[in-house]
Amino acid sequence: GENVEQHPSTLSVQEGDSAVIKCTYSDSASNYFPWYKQELGKRPQLIIDIRSNVGEKKDQRIAVTLNKTAKHFSLHITETQPEDSAVYFCAASTGGGNKLTFGTGTQLKVEL
Amino acid sequence: GAVVSQHPSRVICKSGTSVKIECRSLDFQATTMFWYRQFPKQSLMLMATSNEGSKATYEQGVEKDKFLINHASLTLSTLTVTSAHPEDSSFYICSGRGDPRGAQETQYFGPGTRLLVL
Repeated sequence: GENVEQHPSTLSVQEGDSAVIKCTYSDSASNYFPWYKQELGKRPQLIIDIRSNVGEKKDQRIAVTLNKTAKHFSLHITETQPEDSAVYFCAASTGGGNKLTFGTGTQLKVEL
Repeated sequence: GAVVSQHPSRVICKSGTSVKIECRSLDFQATTMFWYRQFPKQSLMLMATSNEGSKATYEQGVEKDKFLINHASLTLSTLTVTSAHPEDSSFYICSGRGDPRGAQETQYFGPGTRLLVL
């Protein structure tokens, strides 16, 4: 089955700096890659997703890049703010409603 | 849009009792619902996949007789933890898929249910 690895497990940045979180996946059939943000004790919320026919997608301060050949994808957050502090999970799926396999999560802390 | 609710948000029960958790899609019909378990500071572990009107598909290592899943309608799925024990204490989260306003693959999560078994 699919295996998703995520790094780093914790990330501290200064407010205004950029943050990058990286994930690798094992199943070459995976074609859908969402990113979720989860604040303590709350539900995961979808922040951005990308499909395998696209190399990059951007939404305001958030961007995701995908390298199908290397089987890795990354989340980029620019101009970080304290409210960006949360746990971020990447995930991979073969699409068509198939299950998501989640990475282990990255605790992002944005310091003032 | 795409709101999923869960009830209860928190439950404390005695060892040996059963607990039912409800997951509802409020503004869309969830053709598929998923149940996850999350331990503190860990990732979401899929327990089972449930399609409306069909038996749930359980992940390896998840006891189907202990974690009963029912998906009787396109807006409601329930998870019953039978004969709960302290090791079943965890954060249980459901998600729904099938909102036509979003991507086919997108899962929308409920707020979770924190179960504590004494």
